[in-house]
Amino acid sequence: GESVGLHLPTLSVQEGDNSIINCAYSNSASDYFIWYKQESGKGPQFIIDIRSNMDKRQGQRVTVLLNKTVKHLSLQIAATQPGDSAVYFCAENRYSGAGSYQLTFGKGTKLSVIP
Amino acid sequence: EAGVAQSPRYKIIEKRQSVAFWCNPISGHATLYWYQQILGQGPKLLIQFQNNGVVDDSQLPKDRFSAERLKGVDSTLKIQPAKLEDSAVYLCASSLGERTGVRWEQFFGPGTRLTVL
Repeated sequence: GESVGLHLPTLSVQEGDNSIINCAYSNSASDYFIWYKQESGKGPQFIIDIRSNMDKRQGQRVTVLLNKTVKHLSLQIAATQPGDSAVYFCAENRYSGAGSYQLTFGKGTKLSVIP
Repeated sequence: EAGVAQSPRYKIIEKRQSVAFWCNPISGHATLYWYQQILGQGPKLLIQFQNNGVVDDSQLPKDRFSAERLKGVDSTLKIQPAKLEDSAVYLCASSLGERTGVRWEQFFGPGTRLTVL
C-alpha cells in the first residue's frame, strides 16, 4: 500500500557534525514532500519542503534531496546543534480535493546530539 | 499570530469512559485536521474538515469516534467509549486550504495526550 517510511529509527551525532536523515516513499503521486521536526510535548513543526519536480532545496542549515528514481528523500542538517535534538518525520503531501491537502507521515527518526 | 490551540493538554480516563478534545485553529484557516499519534509513530489522519464540511473521514473509527466543526471554526473530537488502544496524542492542525503557492502548509497544535487505563 501507500506508505512513507524511514531507514533508521535513531541517530546520534556529535555537536558540530552534519546529520543525514533518510526516508523512503512508495507513492509517486505527491505534490510536495515535507520534513517536520517534533520536540517532546509539542506538535510537528515544518522545517522544509520540496516540490515533486525538484531534486534539491536548501534552507538555513538544512538541505532536502529528492531522488524520484529510487523514491528516496533525505534531510541534511549542517553543523548540528543540541537544539536540533528531536524526532524528524518525512511526510508526503497530496491534493485531496475541495482546495485542501493531506499529509501522510512516516514513523520518524530520533536525532540525539552529543555535546 | 496565535497558533493552533488545543485543550486539555493531558487526560487520563478509564476504558469505556468518554472523552472530548477541543481545537481552535489559526484565524482564517479553512481546513482543519485531527490526527492520532501513537507513541513512536508518525501522526495518522483521522478526519479533515473544509470549513464546516467533512472532506475525508475514511480513517476515523466511526463506531466510537466522532468529530464536528459546526460553525467552521472550533472543532471537537469525541471518543465514546474509549479503549486501551486509544491511548495516544491527538493533534489538531489547520491550513489556509488553498491550492496555489505554499498555502497548503499545516500548522500543528501541541496536542492532547490521552491515557486510557
